[in-house]
Amino acid sequence: EMVMTQSPATLSVSPGDRATLTCRASQSVSRYLAWYQRRPGQAPSLLIYSTSTRATGIPARFSGSGSGTEYTLTISSLQSEDFAIYYCQQYYNWPWTFGQGTKVEMK
Amino acid sequence: VGLVASGGALVQPGGSLRLSCAASGFTFSRYEMNWVRQAPGKGLECVSYMSTSGTTIYYADSVKGRFTMSRDNAENSLYLQMDSLRVEDTAIYYCVRDLGEAATLGVFDFWGQGTVVTVSS
Repeated sequence: EMVMTQSPATLSVSPGDRATLTCRASQSVSRYLAWYQRRPGQAPSLLIYSTSTRATGIPARFSGSGSGTEYTLTISSLQSEDFAIYYCQQYYNWPWTFGQGTKVEMK
Repeated sequence: VGLVASGGALVQPGGSLRLSCAASGFTFSRYEMNWVRQAPGKGLECVSYMSTSGTTIYYADSVKGRFTMSRDNAENSLYLQMDSLRVEDTAIYYCVRDLGEAATLGVFDFWGQGTVVTVSS
């Protein structure tokens, strides 16, 4: 089973700051990598798939990059609604697996 | 788009439950579907996947041989039969739709709110 490791576990940032979240896979996932946002009390929602494709309705301040085993989610200028938990997920092979999450909190 | 999961309950170890998921607002038969769970204090785990026709099913090793996924496209419904339940199956179970685009099998574009399963004596 592929292990996904996210860092940092918690990121303290101010509104308007840039946030960079990292996800590392235990082996290459060939860009079959998605990011989800989870707000308190809600189910996760899709942000990005295929490493860098934004899902429908996702604003351009969210961007993804990476290859092989290393991937990054960048939020260019944090808005109040962006404070949440972010999960990466590989769908290169079954079982599809998630990282443990990065909590983006207000500094 | 609506995915409403139901059937979660408190059950004793070794017992059974059947989860249901009612889909609405989209053509259910055209989408692969999944069950994903999150145990208390744990991460997200993909439990099972089913193709549009139901002919291809994947299970996590942790539930293989105990859980059975099915769907009724005429009724826009998804099911998860859970047998021989264990304490470690305690979790919120989410009914999740696949994105349905080329080369995106396993990308989850819509999640229901989940149903709570508690396995305890």
